[in-house]
Amino acid sequence: DVKVTQSSRYLVKRTGEKVFLECVQDMDHENMFWYRQDPGLGLRLIYFSYDVKMKEKGDIPEGYSVSREKKERFSLILESASTNQTSMYLCASSLRQNEKLFFGSGTQLSVL
Amino acid sequence: QKEVEQDPGPLSVPEGAIVSLNCTYSNSAFQYFMWYRQYSRKGPELLMYTYSSGNKEDGRFTAQVDKSSKYISLFIRDSQPSDSATYLCAMSGNAGNMLTFGGGTRLMVKP
Repeated sequence: DVKVTQSSRYLVKRTGEKVFLECVQDMDHENMFWYRQDPGLGLRLIYFSYDVKMKEKGDIPEGYSVSREKKERFSLILESASTNQTSMYLCASSLRQNEKLFFGSGTQLSVL
Repeated sequence: QKEVEQDPGPLSVPEGAIVSLNCTYSNSAFQYFMWYRQYSRKGPELLMYTYSSGNKEDGRFTAQVDKSSKYISLFIRDSQPSDSATYLCAMSGNAGNMLTFGGGTRLMVKP
């Protein structure tokens, strides 16, 4: 089975801090994604990547950046955390376009 | 108006009931339709995947797509307490893997 591992389940940070969320997948998938999930708003795509060192903006990229230096690892960076970035962050991967996404268990980030 | 609309619930049913979960959408370019199940404090997992219109059955689950009405459904027969979760619909067009998700419907199946 594909495993998508997110480094932290819960994270508490202060406003203005730089935050790194790490995600690793073990099935050699080309595509990796970062979503945030908020009550009433569903899942919204922040950034995705189709290949190493390649990134594309999703629907809500403002305030975020990403890094994909290795195929298996996709990092989400909050350059200066703000309270409105308090959310559940979900990483996902897929082998090909329009195929099933495999999700990690999520990181619940609280920015105080 | 959101691109994909889904009633948030919660939907509460007795064990053994037939459950109907629905999504409507506005983008006629959507071709791929999925249902994900998300248990509390877990990531979503894919339940059903359909392309274009029609029905697809997998055990107790049936996914139905009506592109003319821009309406998709997930039916759960003989519902079990273990089916209690949030169900998310998701869809995409031919342009790539940019899924658009509904907000999710929370289902509670009571023993």
